[in-house]
Amino acid sequence: DAGVTQSPTHLIKTRGQHVTLRCSPISGHKSVSWYQQVLGQGPQFIFQYYEKEERGRGNFPDRFSARQFPNYSSELNVNALLLGDSALYLCASSLEPQLFYGYTFGSGTRLTVV
Amino acid sequence: GIQVEQSPPDLILQEGANSTLRCNFSDSVNNLQWFHQNPWGQLINLFYIPSGTKQNGRLSATTVATERYSLLYISSSQTTDSGVYFCAGAISSGSARQLTFGSGTQLTVLP
Repeated sequence: DAGVTQSPTHLIKTRGQHVTLRCSPISGHKSVSWYQQVLGQGPQFIFQYYEKEERGRGNFPDRFSARQFPNYSSELNVNALLLGDSALYLCASSLEPQLFYGYTFGSGTRLTVV
Repeated sequence: GIQVEQSPPDLILQEGANSTLRCNFSDSVNNLQWFHQNPWGQLINLFYIPSGTKQNGRLSATTVATERYSLLYISSSQTTDSGVYFCAGAISSGSARQLTFGSGTQLTVLP
């Protein structure tokens, strides 16, 4: 069974551009969460989606948005990219949002903004 | 204030040595987990350990929830154990459950 898959694996964008990152959860998992990991720090929560609805949002500006599709895959969109958006973006899936069953993370998308 | 705090920030060991990593967490944090991030960025779930002790091979973890700390033990370390170890706890944010991570312990095991 495939794990959490993210695409692309690496991406280079210019300041001011827009980016879309994609995540496919483990089959049967209905909850998807997005995290941003800046170099040298632990991951920080951006969004959680469950059954296509936003369940929670971290302390990120409105330039960050996301959605979840009927097949439970998800997209993270970032507009007007800044140099500080350079980070590893991690997607995690779980059976349900209560975290009793823990998270499974994908390998991430490494975004570089120049 | 800081909700999840890890120590030490860096640890260098000789292969075969044992080590203990510590995680302190605040009252609002529960459902503690330990992760290992390999050099390629993959976060691997090591233990889901809200309380008590668990063992998996050379790794074991203990959480004392009443005293708000957790310990990760690595015995007979190998070079493949190198990487960053994170502890994370769940906090409630509206109807969501988000993981709050510590800043990690960078472990380097030398051959």
